[in-house]
Amino acid sequence: DQQVKQNSPSLSVQEGRISILNCDYTNSMFDYFLWYKKYPAEGPTFLISISSIKDKNEDGRFTVFLNKSAKHLSLHIVPSQPGDSAVYFCAASAVGGTYKYIFGTGTRLKVLA
Amino acid sequence: DSGVTQTPKHLITATGQRVTLRCSPRSGDLSVYWYQQSLDQGLQFLIQYYNGEERAKGNILERFSAQQFPDLHSELNLSSLELGDSALYFCASSVGLNNQPQHFGDGTRLSIL
Repeated sequence: DQQVKQNSPSLSVQEGRISILNCDYTNSMFDYFLWYKKYPAEGPTFLISISSIKDKNEDGRFTVFLNKSAKHLSLHIVPSQPGDSAVYFCAASAVGGTYKYIFGTGTRLKVLA
Repeated sequence: DSGVTQTPKHLITATGQRVTLRCSPRSGDLSVYWYQQSLDQGLQFLIQYYNGEERAKGNILERFSAQQFPDLHSELNLSSLELGDSALYFCASSVGLNNQPQHFGDGTRLSIL
C-alpha cells in the first residue's frame, strides 16, 4: 500500500519557468511533510518542509503548498534553473513519536536551458 | 556535505554472505535511520535508533539487524544475502525525536552476484 504517491515519474520544464511537482498521500495521520532533492550518486538533500498546521511554506525559489482536505502537497520552483535537474522525493511522517519517513517514488525533473 | 558518513560506498558480494554497513551521524545527532532504495523505488524505512536504543521498525527482514553504539555510530548487518537484497542503503540522522529534517549520507550500493 503506497501511502505517499508521486504520480508523475518525470517532468520537463524550460529554464526560467515554474516547475510544479505533486504528491498525494492517503494517511490522515501524517502531520509533517518534506521535499528532498537527489542527484545521482548522492544521498537525498533536504529542501523544504511543512507542518500540517500550515498550508504554505516558502524558502527562496522553493514553495511548498499543503491541501489537507485533498491530502495533496506540491512543490513550486520559480524560476527553474538547469541545476534544479534532479529527482525530487516527497516524504511524510505521522504522529506517534517515531518520526520515520514514508517516501514517494520520486519525480525526475529536467530543466531545459 | 550533509555531515553523515557512510562506508563503504560500494560493496560487491555473493549470495549467502554477510555484510556490515556503517554510518556515522552528524555531530550532535542522536537519531539514526536506515532506508533501502531498490531500483526505481522510493526509499523504504528499515529501522530507527535513538541514543543507542531501537525506536521503530519498518519493513526490515529478519535476516537484517542493526545497532547503534555508545559513540552514536550505527551498523546495519545483512546476512544470508539474496539477489533481491541488491540496493542502495541510506543512513540518515536527526537531532532527536521531533519533526526536524533528517540528513542523509550518500549511501552504500550493495550488489549481490
